[in-house]
Amino acid sequence: QQQVKQSPQSLIVQKGGISIINCAYENTAFDYFPWYQQFPGKGPALLIAIRPDVSEKKEGRFTISFNKSAKQFSLHIMDSQPGDSATYFCAAHDPTSYGKLTFGQGTILTVHP
Amino acid sequence: KAGVTQTPRYLIKTRGQQVTLSCSPISGHRSVSWYQQTPGQGLQFLFEYFSETQRNKGNFPGRFSGRQFSNSRSEMNVSTLELGDSALYLCASSLNRRDTDTQYFGPGTRLTVL
Repeated sequence: QQQVKQSPQSLIVQKGGISIINCAYENTAFDYFPWYQQFPGKGPALLIAIRPDVSEKKEGRFTISFNKSAKQFSLHIMDSQPGDSATYFCAAHDPTSYGKLTFGQGTILTVHP
Repeated sequence: KAGVTQTPRYLIKTRGQQVTLSCSPISGHRSVSWYQQTPGQGLQFLFEYFSETQRNKGNFPGRFSGRQFSNSRSEMNVSTLELGDSALYLCASSLNRRDTDTQYFGPGTRLTVL
């Protein structure tokens, strides 16, 4: 059962453009929503995270927008750079399920110079 | 602080063998979670350990097992390897039971089963 659906599967953006990745979830018990960035041959690195009591969180060029009623959240990367080319995963945590993050399927982002 | 470390980084095994992977969490972190990453299934949760106790387990067969030591280091074991076990195995550590949602991942162990 896929509890977190991520789209698109792949995304191509020009340098300086905005990259937008969307996720939708079903489990209303989820209380924490991180985004991870993964480069080839590396483990996922925590990028930014949000809790449901906040509708938006910004850290540098990265912004999470959260819509609790729609059960959706998205990652916006402003001024996208070639170095941002990586795979991005959204995830969600259910506090009743110790230590388990449920991940989306990932988005391969390519930023062309 | 040093990050999460995993050893070995690469492993090649044959079907039927068993394998043990090791994970050292960030200093002070007491929770360790394990994940399997494959192109088809993505990142799937295997299990989580805290204070040497398995508190949660994902939907994997009993061939997958793990343990945690008193220094929070963790190992996972896969017995009777199958071709489908080829994957990147990731461990992640977090601070304590009240903060187990903030997870920091290691570089992973790439397991190839021939």
